[in-house]
Amino acid sequence: DQQVKQNSPSLSVQEGRISILNCDYTNSMFDYFLWYKKYPAEGPTFLISISSIKDKNEDGRFTVFLNKSAKHLSLHIVPSQPGDSAVYFCAASALQYGNKLVFGAGTILRVKS
Amino acid sequence: NAGVTQTPKFRVLKTGQSMTLLCAQDMNHEYMYWYRQDPGMGLRLIHYSVGEGTTAKGEVPDGYNVSRLKKQNFLLGLESAAPSQTSVYFCASRLAGGRSEQYFGPGTRLTVT
Repeated sequence: DQQVKQNSPSLSVQEGRISILNCDYTNSMFDYFLWYKKYPAEGPTFLISISSIKDKNEDGRFTVFLNKSAKHLSLHIVPSQPGDSAVYFCAASALQYGNKLVFGAGTILRVKS
Repeated sequence: NAGVTQTPKFRVLKTGQSMTLLCAQDMNHEYMYWYRQDPGMGLRLIHYSVGEGTTAKGEVPDGYNVSRLKKQNFLLGLESAAPSQTSVYFCASRLAGGRSEQYFGPGTRLTVT
């Protein structure tokens, strides 16, 4: 039973437009959420995170929104650039579980120029 | 500062053979992790370590063993490889305490025939 779900396997966006990647979770104990970006033949790299005490965190072109009541978070990339084309993983953790990360299956983002 | 490195990058094994994957980090991180990534399943935690000389099981530990004899190294062993262990393996590390992000190595692609 997947506790973290990314229901869109892929997303295609035009350069300059907004990319919205979605993530849902089922475990209400999760209190910290992260997004990782992965290029082919490389390891994932940390992108942005959000604590459950916040509903928004922004870092440059990247913003993560958290809706705790819906157990849903989203990553917004504005404006999207061709270099953003990668696989994006959503991950969640809980203090009670030793902060171990539980990952979603990932969403492939393709930004067309 | 090389970050997290993994050896080897690629390997092909026959069923029943054994091998060890090496992970090394030069960031003085206390925590280290081994994940496997399979299509459609994201990253799943195999084993982890919270300090030199300690190891613990993750979500999918069967068929694997680990050792953390030195703080900077985390070894993942397959005693008798099976085709189901064909995967991409990632090592990660992070600082202890707080909600610090994990830093990943470039991965090892293992094929078991």
